Amino acid sequence: DAKTTQPPSMDCAEGRAANLPCNHSTISGNEYVYWYRQIHSQGPQYIIHGLKNNETNEMASLIITEDRKSSTLILPHATLRDTAVYYCIVRVEGTYKYIFGTGTRLKVLA
Amino acid sequence: GAVVSQHPSWVICKSGTSVKIECRSLDFQATTMFWYRQFPKQSLMLMATSNEGSKATYEQGVEKDKFLINHASLTLSTLTVTSAHPEDSSFYICSANRATGAETQYFGPGTRLLVL
Repeated sequence: DAKTTQPPSMDCAEGRAANLPCNHSTISGNEYVYWYRQIHSQGPQYIIHGLKNNETNEMASLIITEDRKSSTLILPHATLRDTAVYYCIVRVEGTYKYIFGTGTRLKVLA
Repeated sequence: GAVVSQHPSWVICKSGTSVKIECRSLDFQATTMFWYRQFPKQSLMLMATSNEGSKATYEQGVEKDKFLINHASLTLSTLTVTSAHPEDSSFYICSANRATGAETQYFGPGTRLLVL
């Protein structure tokens, strides 16, 4: 079973920030949180990952709560091309395996 | 960096034939690669973990004799669907583990298999 839970869908207006939450309450102390997105009929695209501190790259920002039980992916200025399914993933402890949950289907509206 | 390719991108075959799908890490070495399957409107399902130079580890319910995995080098893993049947029609996606401390997986573009 996936170790994360996400809302099944969200809408966001174009140009606004998209905030995608993820709950990972069973995460262990040394496991990273990874975010990917999948645009229709393509392989998942890596977005960002983090351990404890907040992270930012050219695609997004990742905010991780102090207790590490949840995180939020922020797309600062969503565009129509950001419409995709977003997956928050924590590895199976002691392995390199990812178990995908159902993700959040983000629809960016014009 | 961190580019993973798959070949072919799509394939149509007759029932009973075998199909080989290649997964390559183009700009990094990957001791571990993974194979996933995705049915329409569903999430990715992990099929197996492929380790360079050793036997693959299959997830529960995945037939190892039907889905043959070979990981002969640090940049290439292959998945062979043997004696394919229509129910094997799916989107097959590989990923390669890049050893950067966080051990991030990078995914290929996927291979769409249609078995007639």
